[in-house]
Amino acid sequence: KQEVTQIPAALSVPEGENLVLNCSFTDSAIYNLQWFRQDPGKGLTSLLLIQSSQREQTSGRLNASLDKSSGRSTLYIAASQPGDSATYLCAVPQGAQKLVFGQGTRLTINP
Amino acid sequence: GAVVSQHPSRVICKSGTSVKIECRSLDFQATTMFWYRQFPKQSLMLMATSNEGSKATYEQGVEKDKFLINHASLTLSTLTVTSAHPEDSSFYICSAKDSFTNEQFFGPGTRLTVL
Repeated sequence: KQEVTQIPAALSVPEGENLVLNCSFTDSAIYNLQWFRQDPGKGLTSLLLIQSSQREQTSGRLNASLDKSSGRSTLYIAASQPGDSATYLCAVPQGAQKLVFGQGTRLTINP
Repeated sequence: GAVVSQHPSRVICKSGTSVKIECRSLDFQATTMFWYRQFPKQSLMLMATSNEGSKATYEQGVEKDKFLINHASLTLSTLTVTSAHPEDSSFYICSAKDSFTNEQFFGPGTRLTVL
C-alpha cells in the first residue's frame, strides 16, 4: 500500500527566500507524481506533473524534482512571495487510478 | 490547465434531506472522476472512483447507499448524499482525470453543512 509523507508539516519564511518542500513515497513503482496547491476553503490547483521517466519539471518560479529509486520528490520555490502562502500537497497514483496524498505542508510567506 | 467545476459551492440543509453535488469537466473528457471529502486541516480522503457508464468503486468504509454516484457522461459526475446527517458536514471535492494525459484536475469544492 502506497504511503506519502510530506516534511515539514508547516513552514514560515520571510518574503524573498528560496525554499524546498519534501515529499517521500513508499512504493517507487509510480506512473507520475503531482504537486498541488490548496488555498483555505478552496479546491486543489495542479502545479506540476512529473512523469515517471522525467527527473524534473519547471513552471515559472517552481521546480519539482523526482527520484523514483529513493522514493523522493522536492518542490523548490524561488524568490517566495506572500501570494505563495497556501498548503502544498504531493500525490502519487496507487495503481492506475486513484491518487494517494501526503498530509501537506502549510506554507506561510511573511511580508 | 484544464477546468473542473462543481455546483453548488456551498449548501446548507436540514438533517434527513438529500443533497446532490455536480462535478463537470469543462474542456476535456474524463472517463474517470473521483470524489473526496476533506475535514478541517486534514488531507483529502478518497471516497469513490466514478467510471463513465459503469458503477462506482467505493473505498473501504464508505457507504454506497448513502453516497450515490452517477457518471452518465464523459463530462459529468454527480454525488448525492442521501438522508444527510450533521456528521456528513464536510468539504467535498471532485477531480477528473484527463483520459489522454492521466493528469488529475480538481474542482473548487462544495462545502456541505447539515443542520
